[in-house]
Amino acid sequence: EVQLVESGGGLVKPGGSLRLSCAASGFTFSSYSMNWVRQAPGKGLEWVSSISSSSSYIYYADSVKGRFTISRDNAKNSLYLQMNSLRAEDTAVYYCARDDGLTNCNDYWGQGTLVTVSS
Amino acid sequence: QSALTQPASVSGSPGQSITISCTGTSSDVGGYNYVSWYQQHPGKAPKLMIYEVSNRPSGVPDRFSGSKSGNTASLTISGLQAEDEADYYCSSYTSSSTLRVFGGGTKLTVL
Repeated sequence: EVQLVESGGGLVKPGGSLRLSCAASGFTFSSYSMNWVRQAPGKGLEWVSSISSSSSYIYYADSVKGRFTISRDNAKNSLYLQMNSLRAEDTAVYYCARDDGLTNCNDYWGQGTLVTVSS
Repeated sequence: QSALTQPASVSGSPGQSITISCTGTSSDVGGYNYVSWYQQHPGKAPKLMIYEVSNRPSGVPDRFSGSKSGNTASLTISGLQAEDEADYYCSSYTSSSTLRVFGGGTKLTVL
């Protein structure tokens, strides 16, 4: 069974940093691209970042470019999101999602971790 | 403002059919057959319902179907059931540097 478990969320002050993690199991992690998708309270889904299976290709939404860094450790079956210079508008539930590269969709999602940016 | 445009809400009675539209551009919806649809119940993670415009993952009822015409994709739910009440989001691959875009979401109410 595919499982994605996010961790690392919490309360952080504006300008602060946070590192999210996503532990993957139940599939060959190193064969799949992975995504981070976020959802602000009461709002819709927003794609944040994608990383290819070997980390060769990385993409970011304009809203986080230059502040967030996606990475992965295939030996540890883990995905990460380093978030710096956090703003109030980054407050959201952050989901880790597996990317079915052949069909360009997110076929499995974690339960999410809440990041709150507030003074 | 979301890259893909969806109606904010739709509603229908049990047993009826509803359709949710998702309008983009030739750089995303219209240019590729990589439109997917997600269902999200309150407090839950999104669930993939349709991929590549009209394909259903294993386990998704055949009451759910997808289509596309030009720059607009559509999700149709037939034989509405109470458990279909949820938020629905479309998504598409995009040729822009951002790779993937979502719609703003549509709240489905089953009357």
